[in-house]
Amino acid sequence: NAGVTQTPKFQVLKTGQSMTLQCAQDMNHEYMSWYRQDPGMGLRLIHYSVGAGITDQGEVPNGYNVSRSTTEDFPLRLLSAAPSQTSVYFCASGGRGEQYFGPGTRLTVT
Amino acid sequence: GNSVTQMEGPVTLSEEAFLTINCTYTATGYPSLFWYVQYPGEGLQLLLKATKADDKGSNKGFEATYRKETTSFHLEKGSVQVSDSAVYFCALSGNKAAGNKLTFGGGTRVLVKP
Repeated sequence: NAGVTQTPKFQVLKTGQSMTLQCAQDMNHEYMSWYRQDPGMGLRLIHYSVGAGITDQGEVPNGYNVSRSTTEDFPLRLLSAAPSQTSVYFCASGGRGEQYFGPGTRLTVT
Repeated sequence: GNSVTQMEGPVTLSEEAFLTINCTYTATGYPSLFWYVQYPGEGLQLLLKATKADDKGSNKGFEATYRKETTSFHLEKGSVQVSDSAVYFCALSGNKAAGNKLTFGGGTRVLVKP
């Protein structure tokens, strides 16, 4: 049981490039979410999903897209990277509020 | 909307000292409350939780009591160790209509010195 896995661990992008952060879970959770963590700001919710085919916006969705074609996977797409998207990104899955977090992806946009 | 406020750090303590991290919340209805811990270079881990008023969550020597009258969920540990050095996040989860979304406080960094 691997829990929540995220790839890559580190990524450097140039402004305007696009990329996809991968997230997978093997706990059969319906609920999955993406957060970003910035210094001094805690975690902010980007997008979330309550099941396959269902996604919704969180607190800071601009510049990000998500899809949920399977229960296991919940990728996060950056359409055109900007320096303001430099952050650590965490994927989580769970139920009834209790979330299990992946190890994070540290993204730098130059 | 929902919000969580926790004391700013860093909090620096000596080993075996008593730790308290204050957390207060604003929410409609009856949220569930959580403390998560983030060790250096890692993701967040659930430390403890409480789902209704007067519940006490506990784990690894840490405790927190859900106080609805003061809308608080303060984290305490009687004798900290160097290994407790981490960032601690208070969080709440709203009612079913809000899904399972968590609202986090800003985090409190704790440094325990030998």
